[in-house]
Amino acid sequence: AQTVTQSQPEMSVQEAETVTLSCTYDTSESDYYLFWYKQPPSRQMILVIRQEAYKQQNATENRFSVNFQKAAKSFSLKISDSQLGDAAMYFCAYRRGSGGSNYKLTFGKGTLLTVNP
Amino acid sequence: DTGVSQDPRHKITKRGQNVTFRCDPISEHNRLYWYRQTLGQGPEFLTYFQNEAQLEKSRLLSDRFSAERPKGSFSTLEIQRTEQGDSAMYLCASRLGTGAPTDTQYFGPGTRLTVL
Repeated sequence: AQTVTQSQPEMSVQEAETVTLSCTYDTSESDYYLFWYKQPPSRQMILVIRQEAYKQQNATENRFSVNFQKAAKSFSLKISDSQLGDAAMYFCAYRRGSGGSNYKLTFGKGTLLTVNP
Repeated sequence: DTGVSQDPRHKITKRGQNVTFRCDPISEHNRLYWYRQTLGQGPEFLTYFQNEAQLEKSRLLSDRFSAERPKGSFSTLEIQRTEQGDSAMYLCASRLGTGAPTDTQYFGPGTRLTVL
């Protein structure tokens, strides 16, 4: 079974600084996708960034980027120029690729990010 | 695009009572998921629908839990004879079903259940 581990229960960052959230995963599959989701307090979870395992290039979405190390099974999220609105719980998630999969997500336990003004 | 909606947002019930939650997916999405999120944990998969067919159920979904998606539109999740251990946030998600890498799961705001 696939597992996702987030070893940092809480992180904090100063506004405008950079922070990196860690995630490792375990799978025997070769075709899969990795995601970072953001869950603000009392609001719904939204997708931050997606990485396809077959792509060597790291995904980037504005201030958010990932460092995908396939051999090490590591998938960290870097948030640059942190803003107060980035404060949230961040979940790393795994999904199998194609081939009859129902595409259910396997989540880590989350990292609570605090942004200090 | 109105997003995924869930009702109610909060539910407090006494142990032994039955509860039912509703999820309305994004209108053109034919795949629907239920997840459960307990305090300090990430969401855990409960069940999956493709249109009206329930194609997978997690072992977390005991006999007291039942989910339906009549006509492939909204879905309901019912818990019978609730227990304190059922207290959690119940999340619904939907996706279009193209199978493309960009086929993202969109989440609703969740229903927070408290069993006293």
